[in-house]
Amino acid sequence: QKEVEQNSGPLSVPEGAIASLNCTYSDRGSQSFFWYRQYSGKSPELIMFIYSNGDKEDGRFTAQLNKASQYVSLLIRDSQPSDSATYLCAATGANNLFFGTGTRLTVIP
Amino acid sequence: ETGVTQSPTHLIKTRGQQVTLRCSSQSGHNTVSWYQQALGQGPQFIFQYYREEENGRGNFPPRFSGLQFPNYSSELNVNALELDDSALYLCASSFTSGGEQFFGPGTRLTVL
Repeated sequence: QKEVEQNSGPLSVPEGAIASLNCTYSDRGSQSFFWYRQYSGKSPELIMFIYSNGDKEDGRFTAQLNKASQYVSLLIRDSQPSDSATYLCAATGANNLFFGTGTRLTVIP
Repeated sequence: ETGVTQSPTHLIKTRGQQVTLRCSSQSGHNTVSWYQQALGQGPQFIFQYYREEENGRGNFPPRFSGLQFPNYSSELNVNALELDDSALYLCASSFTSGGEQFFGPGTRLTVL
C-alpha cells in the first residue's frame, strides 16, 4: 500500500514566522512530489513541485526533498494570515498522485 | 488560457440513484484524473483518462465508471449510490499522464 503521511496538525504560527510542513512517503519509486494548498470548501491549488534532492525555492516557499529518507518538506517564510489553509503533500504513482491527509496551518495575526 | 471547469457545483441524490459529473480540461491538456475527497481526508485516486482511454484505476468498485471525449473533456458516472459516496469529487487535468495536475473547483455530492 503506497502511503503519504503528514502531521495533521493543526499547526499554528505567528504572522511573519516560518511555517514548516513535513511529509514522508512509502514508495521509493515515486519520482515527483507536489505541495497543494486547499482553503476550506475549495479545491487544491498547486504551490510547488520537486523531483531532485535538495531545495527548491519559489518566492516565500521552499520545498525540500530527501529521497534517501523518503522525506519532503515545505517551508513558508514570512507567514501571512492568508496562508492559513490545509497543505496537502502528494507523491507520484504510476499515473496518479497519492495524497496525504493534509496539515492544517493557522497563521495568527 | 481556460482552467479546469466542473459541473455541477453541488448535487443531492438519494441512495441507489445514479449520477454523472462533468469536467472540462485545461486548454492543451490531454489527461484527466478523477479523485474523491471525503471530509478531512486527502483526495483518493479514482481513475485517469489519457487520449480517451482509461490509463489507470484506483481502488474503487466498477460502479464508478468514466469517459473521455475527443475534446478531452470527461465524465464520471457513479451507479447505485451509497451514503459513503458523499464527498467532494475533483477533476484534475495535466499536459501528460505523469505531469503536474491542476484541479477544477470540484463537485460536492451529497447522498441521502
